[in-house]
Amino acid sequence: AQSVAQPEDQVNVAEGNPLTVKCTYSVSGNPYLFWYVQYPNRGLQFLLKYITGDNLVKGSYGFEAEFNKSQTSFHLKKPSALVSDSALYFCAVRDLNRDDKIIFGKGTRLHILP
Amino acid sequence: DTEVTQTPKHLVMGMTNKKSLKCEQHMGHRAMYWYKQKAKKPPELMFVYSYEKLSINESVPSRFSPECPNSSLLNLHLHALQPEDSALYLCASSQDVGLALGLYEQYFGPGTRLTVT
Repeated sequence: AQSVAQPEDQVNVAEGNPLTVKCTYSVSGNPYLFWYVQYPNRGLQFLLKYITGDNLVKGSYGFEAEFNKSQTSFHLKKPSALVSDSALYFCAVRDLNRDDKIIFGKGTRLHILP
Repeated sequence: DTEVTQTPKHLVMGMTNKKSLKCEQHMGHRAMYWYKQKAKKPPELMFVYSYEKLSINESVPSRFSPECPNSSLLNLHLHALQPEDSALYLCASSQDVGLALGLYEQYFGPGTRLTVT
């Protein structure tokens, strides 16, 4: 089965510093990968996705993600963190073997320190 | 309009009650989803409707009954719930072109916070 792993439960970054939220994937075939963000007491919001093409994917709110096939990674990045980026971030993968559902990682809580 | 709306925002119900959660989208999406989310956990898929037909049921107990009256509306009928069913219930929608659900990003509503007493 397809899966994603988010190895960090929590990431702390000082405001203004670059941030990275890690995601690795395990898929058979071509990976279709997503990042979502969830602010407190809200639903999930789509940030970006990788289907094919450029390895650097740009998304909403200044976020980008780098697809690395050799390392099977899809890390989320932002050059300069804002306090308002503090939220729960989910990496997700398309699972063609299971009704074409989206499978979410466990999530990483991002804290941006003022 | 990229909004998915859900009502009510909060719901407290007893174990013998019957209630319904409602979800609406006007993006022309033909796939709609119900998820259950416990605190600090990822969403767990419950049901998927594709073109107003139930296409995925993740072995959800029958005390949860989904309904898709039309392409814009999705309901979740609740009956005889248990305290462990307390959670945030999220509705989402997406395109579903060529029945390729997994290609498309999902748009989520804000959720209904359900407490079963």
